[in-house]
Amino acid sequence: DTEVTQTPKHLVMGMTNKKSLKCEQHMGHRAMYWYKQKAKKPPELMFVYSYEKLSINESVPSRFSPECPNSSLLNLHLHALQPEDSALYLCASSQRQRGYSGNTIYFGEGSWLTVV
Amino acid sequence: DQQVKQNSPSLSVQEGRISILNCDYTNSMFDYFLWYKKYPAEGPTFLISISSIKDKNEDGRFTVFLNKSAKHLSLHIVPSQPGDSAVYFCAAHPGGSNYKLTFGKGTLLTVNP
Repeated sequence: DTEVTQTPKHLVMGMTNKKSLKCEQHMGHRAMYWYKQKAKKPPELMFVYSYEKLSINESVPSRFSPECPNSSLLNLHLHALQPEDSALYLCASSQRQRGYSGNTIYFGEGSWLTVV
Repeated sequence: DQQVKQNSPSLSVQEGRISILNCDYTNSMFDYFLWYKKYPAEGPTFLISISSIKDKNEDGRFTVFLNKSAKHLSLHIVPSQPGDSAVYFCAAHPGGSNYKLTFGKGTLLTVNP
């Protein structure tokens, strides 16, 4: 089972709202990620958590605030967003493949965010 | 600087034939390569991967070939099916504890019935 579950699937929020995106995985993966994807573009990395600690922040504006409450959950708190932040937000988790050096990253279905 | 390049934005293939999607990379530190398939309005789905210690990996209809000296990899889909129509992303990372995955811009594959 390689399932990463994201909620909500769709979110519309005003520029003054505070909302959160949620992500859950039960594969025992110890790395979790937030990516952002705009139409016809590849996913862009935002944050990486490794063993529940923030290990990578790709210079993301502070209006996006990640949180990792435990090894299975990852949240992205949103506040004072701009219309250009409208995108598909993807959660992912990964495990290192046995015998290889690489991590295979599994993505969720994504949360479509529209900022009005 | 685009470290992972998919130079064909689109590819059209007849059902039952072979689809070949290509990917080039420039960073010699990349050690692990992955292909993802993406339908509109969905997250990318992991298809197949290959480590730099191998030159071929096969999984059902999907085979990935890696030519490390040429810094080139390709994904072969045989036989192609209409349900394979999607955007395919090539991705790479240095391996180890480096979690940053670098994506190509994607190739839109259309398989015609």
